[in-house]
Amino acid sequence: QSVLTQPPSASGTPGQRVTISCSGSTSNIGSIYVHWYQQVTGTAPKLLIYSDDERPSGVPDRFSGSKSGTSASLTISGLRSEDEADYYCAAWDDSLSGPVFGGGTKLTVL
Amino acid sequence: QVQLQESGPGLVKPSQTLSLTCTVSGGSISSGGYYWSWIRQHPGKGLEWIGYSYYSGSTYYNPSLKSRVTISIDTSKNQFSLKLSSVTAADTAVYYCAREVTMFRGEYFDYWGQGTLVTVSS
Repeated sequence: QSVLTQPPSASGTPGQRVTISCSGSTSNIGSIYVHWYQQVTGTAPKLLIYSDDERPSGVPDRFSGSKSGTSASLTISGLRSEDEADYYCAAWDDSLSGPVFGGGTKLTVL
Repeated sequence: QVQLQESGPGLVKPSQTLSLTCTVSGGSISSGGYYWSWIRQHPGKGLEWIGYSYYSGSTYYNPSLKSRVTISIDTSKNQFSLKLSSVTAADTAVYYCAREVTMFRGEYFDYWGQGTLVTVSS
């Protein structure tokens, strides 16, 4: 069971906006930054969003992150077929004294 | 562009030690500001942080694995390594090496290796 809680699945049609949630606690999300990773099947995870809402160079601005209290969200606007992947949230956890991940959300583009 | 590449046996017998090496190219492992980390992913499951080494050799491990894990760094070869002892079938997973940007309690992984599947079986 993961320390951070994500819905196991999400879906949308091309062009739609999809939001994936990530719930934690005051020992992780509530006290420090959240990051998001995208993992296309059979490949390594890729950094998508860091420090709650920052995009690395090369990540389209269709991807955005936000945080409120002990929850965070990843929003994908203008959904495209190539966005079909697993998405993981992550944050430092004070109890572990290390990074923890959500269980992942499988996004299907219908 | 920083690149990381895992190498090591894909099959390990139960009770033996799993050993993997990560070779870093496109950047120096001795540059400060980064932790050199290992993460694993059980088949069809989520991600689990194993631990990291700083270029100085200081290390920190996931408490759930700490008694069995050793991460070491070789700056002369621009490599870092993972050893996991007394493995069981539960250690079967894809193992990733990654560069972790140091940011007090806000660390994140900006570069990942492609991952290597290690199966524990007799």
